[in-house]
Amino acid sequence: DAGITQSPRHKVTETGTPVTLRCHQTENHRYMYWYRQDPGHGLRLIHYSYGVKDTDKGEVSDGYSVSRSKTEDFLLTLESATSSQTSVYFCAIRPPPERGHNEQFFGPGTRLTVL
Amino acid sequence: DQQVKQNSPSLSVQEGRISILNCDYTNSMFDYFLWYKKYPAEGPTFLISISSIKDKNEDGRFTVFLNKSAKHLSLHIVPSQPGDSAVYFCAATPSGNTPLVFGKGTRLSVIA
Repeated sequence: DAGITQSPRHKVTETGTPVTLRCHQTENHRYMYWYRQDPGHGLRLIHYSYGVKDTDKGEVSDGYSVSRSKTEDFLLTLESATSSQTSVYFCAIRPPPERGHNEQFFGPGTRLTVL
Repeated sequence: DQQVKQNSPSLSVQEGRISILNCDYTNSMFDYFLWYKKYPAEGPTFLISISSIKDKNEDGRFTVFLNKSAKHLSLHIVPSQPGDSAVYFCAATPSGNTPLVFGKGTRLSVIA
């Protein structure tokens, strides 16, 4: 199994509060991703990173920011949580594409509830 | 605009029979396709993939077929087992550094 963990695994927060989710990998891969999964929407990309301090927006980036100060950690921040951000959040890592790998490997997920 | 479509939200199959999950795509730049399996309260796990230079890839009970002219791929599971009950996501990418694009998923129920 890919060495990827997420913390916290569950969180309940109130509207308007800041929330930070952490993704940690032990594989030393450059590429890391944050997705959210919602009923009827599948997996939607929020932000991704292709190296330390190198990030880019995904399909549903509004209301989210990310930071990557170390290879192993990719943080997702909700500056002011809203009820529409209640979701399950998955982090994923990817071996170097230049080696012919296109698979991503996912963490166990964080269930976030915004009241 | 959905680039990867899984038009069947759910599928029910009897144990021992074949399960066929379908996926359509619209982006002709996609050249690598993947299937993921997801159990409740777990992250998606990679199942099988296929490159656009092939039309079939097989791994045990799982076979993926690619029809590039129809922009269609399918996952066949033979024989289906109760442990195969999960949500299956189709994904695609133009390869290189571009992120995967996922479909909305199909929930497979294998009935004993």
